Amino acid sequence: QVQLQESGPGLVKPSQTLSLTCTVSGGSISSGSYYWSWIRQPAGKGLEWIGRIYTSGSTNYNPSLKSRVTISVDTSKNQFSLKLSSVTAADTAVYYCARDRIVVVPAASDYYYYYYMDVWGKGTTVTVSS
Amino acid sequence: QSVLTQPPSVSAAPGQKVTISCSGSSSNIGNNYVSWYQQLPGTAPKLLIYENNKRPSGIPDRFSGSKSGTSATLGITGLQTGDEADYYCGTWDSSLSAGGWVFGGGTKLTVL
Repeated sequence: QVQLQESGPGLVKPSQTLSLTCTVSGGSISSGSYYWSWIRQPAGKGLEWIGRIYTSGSTNYNPSLKSRVTISVDTSKNQFSLKLSSVTAADTAVYYCARDRIVVVPAASDYYYYYYMDVWGKGTTVTVSS
Repeated sequence: QSVLTQPPSVSAAPGQKVTISCSGSSSNIGNNYVSWYQQLPGTAPKLLIYENNKRPSGIPDRFSGSKSGTSATLGITGLQTGDEADYYCGTWDSSLSAGGWVFGGGTKLTVL
């Protein structure tokens, strides 16, 4: 059974860079069937997708955060990481990592790709404060 | 403001049925599969429904999903107090520059 575990500092100062790591256990991050996503949730609010990475290093980012986000993968450690720069109090949230399953559906002359997040980490709280 | 629209709250008595709607557009729900997530108080979201209407192993058949056009619906029958949670719909949105995940704002289910 695949499990994901977030880790990193719980307190970050304003203007600094938030850094988190997600460790994957019970399965390989190099599987071609998944992307690996980061999602956050401010207290009392909804889910916001931050971005994701494929084992090849290919990434997708939320346009609203793209200028400040970097997601990387370390297949040797079975981990992927999030860096969010120039943080403010608005970045205070619970940060989740999740496995983003790829569904491939053949079409007439192409393929369609669909996704769902089937495994989530327990989340880690990050507070931005001086 | 979330890209997908859900009612903020729904409520029903134990044993009854409830539905939660999720409205989007052609760039997201209209051309992609929808998934639903259950978030019990103080815990991480958990996959409830995927590919519009499929249930992962271990999810009871009291939970169902459907999609029509640019809207999706989560149904829960035989409500139990343990179903009290926040429910989120999510899907891929192709209108973003390279695509991206979008979620509804969440619906709080209260079992009276």
